[in-house]
Amino acid sequence: QKEVEQNSGPLSVPEGAIASLNCTYSDRGSQSFFWYRQYSGKSPELIMFIYSNGDKEDGRFTAQLNKASQYVSLLIRDSQPSDSATYLCAVYGGATNKLIFGTGTLLAVQP
Amino acid sequence: NAGVTQTPKFRILKIGQSMTLQCTQDMNHNYMYWYRQDPGMGLKLIYYSVGAGITDKGEVPNGYNVSRSTTEDFPLRLELAAPSQTSVYFCASSSPHEGLLLPSGNTIYFGEGSWLTVV
Repeated sequence: QKEVEQNSGPLSVPEGAIASLNCTYSDRGSQSFFWYRQYSGKSPELIMFIYSNGDKEDGRFTAQLNKASQYVSLLIRDSQPSDSATYLCAVYGGATNKLIFGTGTLLAVQP
Repeated sequence: NAGVTQTPKFRILKIGQSMTLQCTQDMNHNYMYWYRQDPGMGLKLIYYSVGAGITDKGEVPNGYNVSRSTTEDFPLRLELAAPSQTSVYFCASSSPHEGLLLPSGNTIYFGEGSWLTVV
């Protein structure tokens, strides 16, 4: 079982819709959870981080964490073509004490 | 503000050659990392360091070596390059979280990447 799993996509949504990106992790001791956005040919940039169960909102982005079910999600409201990118889930802590990335989900927002 | 600087940006190596990817940061960060990213994949941790003189293996360390003689520099050495090492390499750095000896994901800074092709 991979430590951090994401659906590779592509996830295609129309402009203005809500994009929902999901991530599951295997280490129950994980402490911190991050969403990075990566445009093609560029380095990852941090979008959101969350430490506690529940929702965390920042502008059009909402991160959701459920530690009991070991999943974290990212909702993007009012999706824009500029949101088209690969979204990487990363998990820190637990046994590895390292930041482990998932393989990423490619999001395509159709104008 | 330089941040994390990687060199070279692009390099083509022949099988069996060796090379060093340079990484330097000017933010006085304790933690530094090397990741590789294969096409369409996420980032895999190669090696990391929690401070000068201290290094440890990540998920995919085979075929690589690192050193951390100063806080600023964290070079990655490829010995006997193989086609499987064709990838994009990212160096990153971060500072401890709220005084604890834990890296904080919200303060991880990535370099711009180094594209390496082994032929």
